[in-house]
Amino acid sequence: AQSVTQLGSHVSVSEGALVLLRCNYSSSVPPYLFWYVQYPNQGLQLLLKYTTGATLVKGINGFEAEFKKSETSFHLTKPSAHMSDAAEYFCAVSPQGGKLIFGQGTELSVKP
Amino acid sequence: NAGVTQTPKFQVLKTGQSMTLQCAQDMNHEYMSWYRQDPGMGLRLIHYSVGAGITDQGEVPNGYNVSRSTTEDFPLRLLSAAPSQTSVYFCASSGAGTANYGYTFGSGTRLTVV
Repeated sequence: AQSVTQLGSHVSVSEGALVLLRCNYSSSVPPYLFWYVQYPNQGLQLLLKYTTGATLVKGINGFEAEFKKSETSFHLTKPSAHMSDAAEYFCAVSPQGGKLIFGQGTELSVKP
Repeated sequence: NAGVTQTPKFQVLKTGQSMTLQCAQDMNHEYMSWYRQDPGMGLRLIHYSVGAGITDQGEVPNGYNVSRSTTEDFPLRLLSAAPSQTSVYFCASSGAGTANYGYTFGSGTRLTVV
């Protein structure tokens, strides 16, 4: 069965520091991969996705992620954290049309 | 530009009551799905649909029914509410092609069963 593991349920960085949120997946076939962000009491917003083509994917708000098939990873990065980046981030894999399997989420805190 | 609309936003039910959570999308998306979000567990798939008239079970389908009679609507029915169904419920939709694939989520329904 497909699964997603997000390493670290809480990550804290200083404003201006690098953001690195880790995501590993299990899949027998190349999957579609996603990162979503959720602000308090809101729904989920798509940050970026990998479906086919270039393995380095750029998303909104300065985030990017790199699909590494050999490592079954899809880590999310941002060079310089901003206070407004504080939120919960979810990695997800789509093993087939219609289904999304989520990781357990990583809460990002940004210290001034 | 409504996107995915969920109603109601909040609901309190008594154990054993039934209700329907409504979900509608105006993007002509083929795929629709329901998730529940519980603290520390991420989002778990309840049911999903790849088109009108086609539904299938996700990870946690027990106690829930769905139907998809139109492309736009995908209601979720709780047959006999239990306290374990206290959760935040999200509906999502997506286009089917690779270029269009990427779920849009509604704002959620916060359900409490007492």
